[in-house]
Amino acid sequence: DAMVIQNPRYQVTQFGKPVTLSCSQTLNHNVMYWYQQKSSQAPKLLFHYYDKDFNNEADTPDNFQSRRPNTSFCFLDIRSPGLGDAAMYLCATSRDLVSGEIGEQYFGPGTRLTVT
Amino acid sequence: AQSVTQLDSHVSVSEGTPVLLRCNYSSSYSPSLFWYVQHPNKGLQLLLKYTSAATLVKGINGFEAEFKKSETSFHLTKPSAHMSDAAEYFCVVSGSQAGTALIFGKGTTLSVSS
Repeated sequence: DAMVIQNPRYQVTQFGKPVTLSCSQTLNHNVMYWYQQKSSQAPKLLFHYYDKDFNNEADTPDNFQSRRPNTSFCFLDIRSPGLGDAAMYLCATSRDLVSGEIGEQYFGPGTRLTVT
Repeated sequence: AQSVTQLDSHVSVSEGTPVLLRCNYSSSYSPSLFWYVQHPNKGLQLLLKYTSAATLVKGINGFEAEFKKSETSFHLTKPSAHMSDAAEYFCVVSGSQAGTALIFGKGTTLSVSS
């Protein structure tokens, strides 16, 4: 089945120790997104890739970076995690529609990051 | 600018009774509207979407939503709640401009009691 896969599902890192979360997709969608979701809150968009074009949200801290080496894979790098970065990180994909709109987003299961 | 307001942060129903989750939107474009569901510690699953076709949209698991332009609403309903429906529900709006990301409501927690 075509899907969005996130690894690992649970990640524990130490304060200040760099960590990378990964996302892969078999949907062949050209748009990929990273969201941060804290407890009892809506997902917050960090950035997205439209093909190879990187689009950073204005309020995303510099501590968060992303890489998309090819269509299928996208990585979230947190350079120096703080306690406030503990959250669920969601990857999503979508594709262009003929009308020029962006179609619905398909979400992975998420990676829950704990910072100790 | 686009925005979405979920009018209830928490809705409680009994199993077998109707569900109504309310959502109002604001959009300067012809909107696409979505409802997503999130079970604890899981990703988001698309329940249904409206993209300017039929105003009454049927989704998975017996849910449906009606787009009412005059009221700028997109309420989610289900005739009979099931225990497995207990989850967080997000109403989402997307613009028609290419590259526009989703705008999420703050979510409604649905509790279902037996």
